[in-house]
Amino acid sequence: DAKTTQPNSMESNEEEPVHLPCNHSTISGTDYIHWYRQLPSQGPEYVIHGLTSNVNNRMASLAIAEDRKSSTLILHRATLRDAAVYYCIPKSGTGGTSYGKLTFGQGTILTVHP
Amino acid sequence: ETGVTQSPTHLIKTRGQQVTLRCSSQSGHNTVSWYQQALGQGPQFIFQYYREEENGRGNFPPRFSGLQFPNYSSELNVNALELDDSALYLCASSLLAGGPNTGELFFGEGSRLTVL
Repeated sequence: DAKTTQPNSMESNEEEPVHLPCNHSTISGTDYIHWYRQLPSQGPEYVIHGLTSNVNNRMASLAIAEDRKSSTLILHRATLRDAAVYYCIPKSGTGGTSYGKLTFGQGTILTVHP
Repeated sequence: ETGVTQSPTHLIKTRGQQVTLRCSSQSGHNTVSWYQQALGQGPQFIFQYYREEENGRGNFPPRFSGLQFPNYSSELNVNALELDDSALYLCASSLLAGGPNTGELFFGEGSRLTVL
């Protein structure tokens, strides 16, 4: 599994954009980059994923570096509900036996101030 | 459409006992995976089940075992409990339908096990 490096913690103010970085320099060519978040006292929640191109959905945007060795999760306007631990997870795009497997690191604890 | 539900939400056991945790998958999902999350750590993959068979396992000893039923619900069994088994146990369901391995996992809220 590819190793990831994320800041231990970040802070933001409400309604400001947040850029959460992740380094994954050992990512393989078939690994997709997934982001999950875990709110307090809840299970992890899917946020977004991508392979090479930048991706947008209703929750966030994902910017992937051209060499794929890093990515940035962008929350366009942080809310108090976005306070969570954010995990960047390279996940193999092939192989049924790894379908349900996510390798979580320590993640980034995001604090949002009112 | 119901989400992933787990039971019990909390339980306390003593060292050496056995425990069974239960998970109901999200409707239409055929794959279930289990994770252990120690306090302050990220979840660690235990194993996954597809079509009632284990077909992927993390670095956990054989005393961690599971079942998947025809309705895709699942159980996690842990025998000979140790103090270090105290953790939040998470169940996740997904739909394995061919194509790239990119489907999202839907997690339950977990069962918190305390071993005394």
